[in-house]
Amino acid sequence: GAGVSQSPSNKVTEKGKDVELRCDPISGHTALYWYRQSLGQGLEFLIYFQGNSAPDKSGLPSDRFSAERTGGSVSTLTIQRTQQEDSAVYLCASSLEAEGEQFFGPGTRLTVL
Amino acid sequence: QKEVEQNSGPLSVPEGAIASLNCTYSDRGSQSFFWYRQYSGKSPELIMSIYSNGDKEDGRFTAQLNKASQYVSLLIRDSQPSDSATYLCAVNSMDSSYKLIFGSGTRLLVRP
Repeated sequence: GAGVSQSPSNKVTEKGKDVELRCDPISGHTALYWYRQSLGQGLEFLIYFQGNSAPDKSGLPSDRFSAERTGGSVSTLTIQRTQQEDSAVYLCASSLEAEGEQFFGPGTRLTVL
Repeated sequence: QKEVEQNSGPLSVPEGAIASLNCTYSDRGSQSFFWYRQYSGKSPELIMSIYSNGDKEDGRFTAQLNKASQYVSLLIRDSQPSDSATYLCAVNSMDSSYKLIFGSGTRLLVRP
């Protein structure tokens, strides 16, 4: 079956522009996660969605970051007024249920010039 | 203090040897433990999960968990050059059990 998909695979933008990153989880998975991996750094939790519950946004680094999940499936991570320190690989993962094994998508490499 | 610690490596082993990767964690209430493999430029790939003390074997991989010592390890038997990658240890957070805390990873090099 299809795994987690993400688009775009690469995004180059100018400082100050807004970007949208998309994640399509594995079909049937109720939980969806966003992580960020900066060069040479570990994975950093950003946000978690589970079914219709309120998301856990505790990992979002600033109010320039927001995410939504429509219809319990596809998720979009939006970064407003991008900064150079936002450059990283943004990874989406999904799991069948909360606390389950998390499977990652291929990631979106964001470069802010 | 880092919550999940791994030796960054590189750990270099000859082809056919056993590679031993180690991880310690600080949250005594953690219940779920995972090993991911990450090739350069790729995303993490789940290879093992373990929830109970003891050993769990899957093919050439064995995960070992000791909650009393807050220690989890991954053994790779008959190491192959294709096993060369960074191995990430992940532990669930006690306050938000769905949230994984990742170590910085151990880079493994398997010499032909």
